[in-house]
Amino acid sequence: DAMVIQNPRYQVTQFGKPVTLSCSQTLNHNVMYWYQQKSSQAPKLLFHYYDKDFNNEADTPDNFQSRRPNTSFCFLDIRSPGLGDAAMYLCATSRDREETQYFGPGTRLLVL
Amino acid sequence: AQSVTQLGSHVSVSEGALVLLRCNYSSSVPPYLFWYVQYPNQGLQLLLKYTSAATLVKGINGFEAEFKKSETSFHLTKPSAHMSDAAEYFCAVTPSGAGSYQLTFGKGTKLSVIP
Repeated sequence: DAMVIQNPRYQVTQFGKPVTLSCSQTLNHNVMYWYQQKSSQAPKLLFHYYDKDFNNEADTPDNFQSRRPNTSFCFLDIRSPGLGDAAMYLCATSRDREETQYFGPGTRLLVL
Repeated sequence: AQSVTQLGSHVSVSEGALVLLRCNYSSSVPPYLFWYVQYPNQGLQLLLKYTSAATLVKGINGFEAEFKKSETSFHLTKPSAHMSDAAEYFCAVTPSGAGSYQLTFGKGTKLSVIP
């Protein structure tokens, strides 16, 4: 089945220790998104890639970076995680920008 | 700019009763509207979407929603609740038009189903 896969499902890191979250897709979609969802809140868009073009939301902290080495994979790098970065991180894809977004299962990040 | 308001952060229904989750939106251009469901520690699953075709949209798991432009609403309903429907539901809006990508979510409504 075509799908969006996120690894790992749970990630524990230490305060200030860099961490990378992974997303892959078999849908061959052009657009990949990263969202942050804190407890009992709506998902908040961090950035998205349209093909190779990176688009950062204005209020996304510099601590968050992303890489998309090819169509299938996209990574979220948190350079120096703080306690406030503990959240569920959701990856989504869409065929084109205004088309339906399909979400992966998420990675829950815990910062100690 | 667009926004979504979901009335009721928590809704409880008895098993077999009608489910009604409310969503009102504002958008400066004709919108596309979505309902997503999220089970604990899971990602978001698309329930249904409105993209300017039929105003009554049928989705998965017996859910449906009706787009009412005059009321700027897109309420989600299901005739008979099942225990497996217990989850959090998010309404989302995006402006229709070339290049728009900003999916704006409501704050979510947690649905509890009482046996």
